[in-house]
Amino acid sequence: AQKVTQAQTEISVVEKEDVTLDCVYETRDTTYYLFWYKQPPSGELVFLIRRNSFDEQNEISGRYSWNFQKSTSSFNFTITASQVVDSAVYFCALSATGGFKTIFGAGTRLFVKA
Amino acid sequence: DTAVSQTPKYLVTQMGNDKSIKCEQNLGHDTMYWYKQDSKKFLKIMFSYNNKELIINETVPNRFSPKSPDKAHLNLHINSLELGDSAVYFCASSQDYEREGKKLFFGSGTQLSVL
Repeated sequence: AQKVTQAQTEISVVEKEDVTLDCVYETRDTTYYLFWYKQPPSGELVFLIRRNSFDEQNEISGRYSWNFQKSTSSFNFTITASQVVDSAVYFCALSATGGFKTIFGAGTRLFVKA
Repeated sequence: DTAVSQTPKYLVTQMGNDKSIKCEQNLGHDTMYWYKQDSKKFLKIMFSYNNKELIINETVPNRFSPKSPDKAHLNLHINSLELGDSAVYFCASSQDYEREGKKLFFGSGTQLSVL
């Protein structure tokens, strides 16, 4: 069975603070993809990153960085120097490589205050 | 051009009515999905179709009937609407190329309110 756990329901930070969103997953599949999606207040779902289970390299994209650790089944997301526009619900997700189902964590609502 | 478009954006209806939500993607993807997002923001897969064939039905009530006339379209018909059906329904598509690998492209969502 697959499962994605985002233990942080809500996080509130002040602008320019760094914040890390946690994601822990469970799967019996040997190959899989991990994702992060963002849902701003406008409601659309925006893809942020995909990581293949073979690739444990961390990734940085501007203020965003991702730490994938297979040993702890975690795929954490850090926003550096947060901005008000980062306020959104962030979802971690998991999909088996050969499957037709992506399952989502419960989401973490991030509030960034000016 | 919108990659995944779904209509309508808002749907307000009475209990017991039947309604449909349409979805179209112009990305040439083979796989399409319906997801339901409840008021607590939980996103749950309902159906997935690959090349017009139903692959996954996540124990969704029979009142929900998806239809895929071709690879680019996946519509959702709901019979006898209930209060608990109120949610945001998202259509999505994906392709299994290595470059895209299960990345979901979502429509903008349909906010269904059952009164």
